[in-house]
Amino acid sequence: GAVVSQHPSWVICKSGTSVKIECRSLDFQATTMFWYRQFPKQSLMLMATSNEGSKATYEQGVEKDKFLINHASLTLSTLTVTSAHPEDSSFYICSATRQGGYEQYFGPGTRLTVT
Amino acid sequence: DQQVKQNSPSLSVQEGRISILNCDYTNSMFDYFLWYKKYPAEGPTFLISISSIKDKNEDGRFTVFLNKSAKHLSLHIVPSQPGDSAVYFCAASAEATDKLIFGTGTRLQVFP
Repeated sequence: GAVVSQHPSWVICKSGTSVKIECRSLDFQATTMFWYRQFPKQSLMLMATSNEGSKATYEQGVEKDKFLINHASLTLSTLTVTSAHPEDSSFYICSATRQGGYEQYFGPGTRLTVT
Repeated sequence: DQQVKQNSPSLSVQEGRISILNCDYTNSMFDYFLWYKKYPAEGPTFLISISSIKDKNEDGRFTVFLNKSAKHLSLHIVPSQPGDSAVYFCAASAEATDKLIFGTGTRLQVFP
């Protein structure tokens, strides 16, 4: 198997607060983890790539100070949306790859709603 | 700049028939292509992939064709089943990078 979990599956928070989303690879060691966001009826947009023990690489236009990514171990990466605003409301999905593999295994996603 | 394009936002096919989903790309550096299936409020599920050294890869009911000169790939599903109804994304990556660039998706509906 290659199972990736995300927690929470959905979260509602007030504007100005911070929210942490966890991504775990349950049955394999993930050398690289990716964070995506998806707006309704749109493609998945890569936000950042993280490797265990090193700083994440952010895509152009993604604010690194707003979307904090920590890849503390080979099975866990976290995304913290700091000072969330309604425009941050989206579906956030993580994925992970095994060492030497191309296929990304995706988590079930986290629905974030900022009120 | 959309490097991977799926020009058909939706497709409707009768059960038992063939479904053909198309994908075009612009970056000639892409050398690995993947298809994912996605249900609402869930993460994508990997279906099938193809390397640029091949022009066809088959796995059960799913076949992916790659035309490098046209920068075009397609996913064939035959026979189509109602359970295949979902959004299908093609994705591409370039050598020496594991970043995936996704298309905009095609919603497939298979009706009885």
